[in-house]
Order: sequence, then C-alpha cells, then structure tokens
Amino acid sequence: GQQLNQSPQSMFIQEGEDVSMNCTSSSIFNTWLWYKQDPGEGPVLLIALYKAGELTSNGRLTAQFGITRKDSFLNISASIPSDVGIYFCAGDAGGTSYGKLTFGQGTILTVHP
Amino acid sequence: KAGVTQTPRYLIKTRGQQVTLSCSPISGHRSVSWYQQTPGQGLQFLFEYFSETQRNKGNFPGRFSGRQFSNSRSEMNVSTLELGDSALYLCASKDQGELFFGEGSRLTVL
Repeated sequence: GQQLNQSPQSMFIQEGEDVSMNCTSSSIFNTWLWYKQDPGEGPVLLIALYKAGELTSNGRLTAQFGITRKDSFLNISASIPSDVGIYFCAGDAGGTSYGKLTFGQGTILTVHP
Repeated sequence: KAGVTQTPRYLIKTRGQQVTLSCSPISGHRSVSWYQQTPGQGLQFLFEYFSETQRNKGNFPGRFSGRQFSNSRSEMNVSTLELGDSALYLCASKDQGELFFGEGSRLTVL
C-alpha cells in the first residue's frame, strides 16, 4: 500500500491566495515528483526534484526536496481558478524500483474566484 | 513529440470477461509502467517493462499481466474481471527520472 502521507487532504481558497501542501514518508526517496490531475485525465508532471535540499520553481510553483529525503513540499503562489485539481506527490526510491512510484493520497484544491 | 497514448479511453465489461489495454509511450522512451487508480486505494503500481522485459511488479494477483513489444508499445491484460477491477488504468513512460502519464483507460466492470 501507499507509504506517503500527504496533507492537507483538501483546501478551499480564494483566488490570489498562496497554497502550501506537503508529503512525508517513512522511507527515503531519491527523487520526489509533484503531479496535478484534472478529472478524467492522467496526472501531469509539475516539478521533479533530484537532490536533498533542492528548491525548484516552475512559474508560480515552488517545490523542495527535504534534507532527510523523507519529505517534500509544494507551494503555489497567487492561485488562479485553473489551479483547481488534485495534486499528488510521488517518491521514487531509485535503484531497482524501475518505474515504481509511491504516491500520496492527493490534495484536492478548490479556488473560489 | 506526441505524449503517451492509451486506448481505449473508456470501456465497459462484465464480470468474468477479460480486457486488453494498449499504451504507446513517448517516442524514444523504453520504460513503460502501468498503474491502477481507484478512489479507495489511490494510485497503485502494477508493473514496469523495459526492452520487452518485466523488471518490476506490484502486489496484484496473477490475473493482471502485461507485455511490451520491440517498438516499446505495451499492453496490459486483466482476465476474469471482478467488480473491484473498475478503475482508471494509467500508463506512463520514463525519461531520466521523470514519469509521464497518458490520459488513462477508464474500465467499468458490471
């Protein structure tokens, strides 16, 4: 089963607000990834993190790979209505994990105009 | 480059039937993974193929199988369908450390 604890489970925010979500794990991961999924679609990769302590931005999105390699967070600044969706964190243990990602339960984001 | 393509997008089967789902990875990607997504269990890893060889397998019964062809296209098969197999089945292809997903095949078992 899943090993990643993602929080919060859901968020209701006003347009323009900043958003923060995080994932923690009992295991170490070599890579952390953040995905966004819209209803009926597959997850779309937002940010990939490869080194402990790494801070990476993609437009209004910023993500960090925790120093312990057991956690990661994602921030979205100045939210807009199209940010609505489900955000997933995923960890890749590397080595012989071969394409196996462990996913968090997802954070459902609702943005009120 | 075209993304990961999955067919069919939607299908309905009855219990006991079998189903085959198809996936074409991004051109040049040789690793293909399959995931099952359900509201209760979330995203669960099924298996991964590279150069026609299964390198990793998740905790699913033997009714779930897959294969990969020499052009990296992959198929997964579920035999003797059960109601609980209703799910979104996602295929992903890998480049470096990043997994790119297709839009999925939505299977409903009645």
